[in-house]
Amino acid sequence: DADVTQTPRNRITKTGKRIMLECSQTKGHDRMYWYRQDPGLGLRLIYYSFDVKDINKGEISDGYSVSRQAQAKFSLSLESAIPNQTALYFCATSVAGATDTQYFGPGTRLTVL
Amino acid sequence: SQKIEQNSEALNIQEGKTATLTCNYTNYSPAYLQWYRQDPGRGPVFLLLIRENEKEKRKERLKVTFDTTLKQSLFHITASQPADSATYLCAPGRGYGGSQGNLIFGKGTKLSVKP
Repeated sequence: DADVTQTPRNRITKTGKRIMLECSQTKGHDRMYWYRQDPGLGLRLIYYSFDVKDINKGEISDGYSVSRQAQAKFSLSLESAIPNQTALYFCATSVAGATDTQYFGPGTRLTVL
Repeated sequence: SQKIEQNSEALNIQEGKTATLTCNYTNYSPAYLQWYRQDPGRGPVFLLLIRENEKEKRKERLKVTFDTTLKQSLFHITASQPADSATYLCAPGRGYGGSQGNLIFGKGTKLSVKP
């Protein structure tokens, strides 16, 4: 079984809709992250959480919110989706420590029409 | 601000040759640097980590160097194979006392190995 899972894997929605992307992990890691990836722009950090009570904005958090429901679960919400949020979204985890090697989920491809 | 540059968006080489990918960083001094592999439509996968006090690290056909004076890391794949075709991402740590998730990812270099 995959250590980091994301649901859904693909989603098509309309402008203005609320969308939630979910991430679960069985690695027992404290740290979790949400990134988006766009062609030519690379991976950009949206939000990250170093433990259940810790939520931090990344470089592109506007238009997004997150919830850390448990150590193993980290959800990303788009309150009112817009077309420029069409992207590939990745969840990642890491162990708290000196190097933060990250383990990524399979990704969610989101299309906002 | 901290900046990462992977000099080539794409690199095409012949099977059996050595692929060399470059990562440059500016405006900070990371304590370590990581390399990841990403296949189309999939999440990045960690390959190697090198620390600032290490000049070189090897793993099977992979070799990474870290030159803190030049602010550069080189990633080598020797005896390349078509299965090595993928995008390779450089990810230096944000530096001492850094926050914001601790890694900054480069945009990647897409490697294509032709038979």
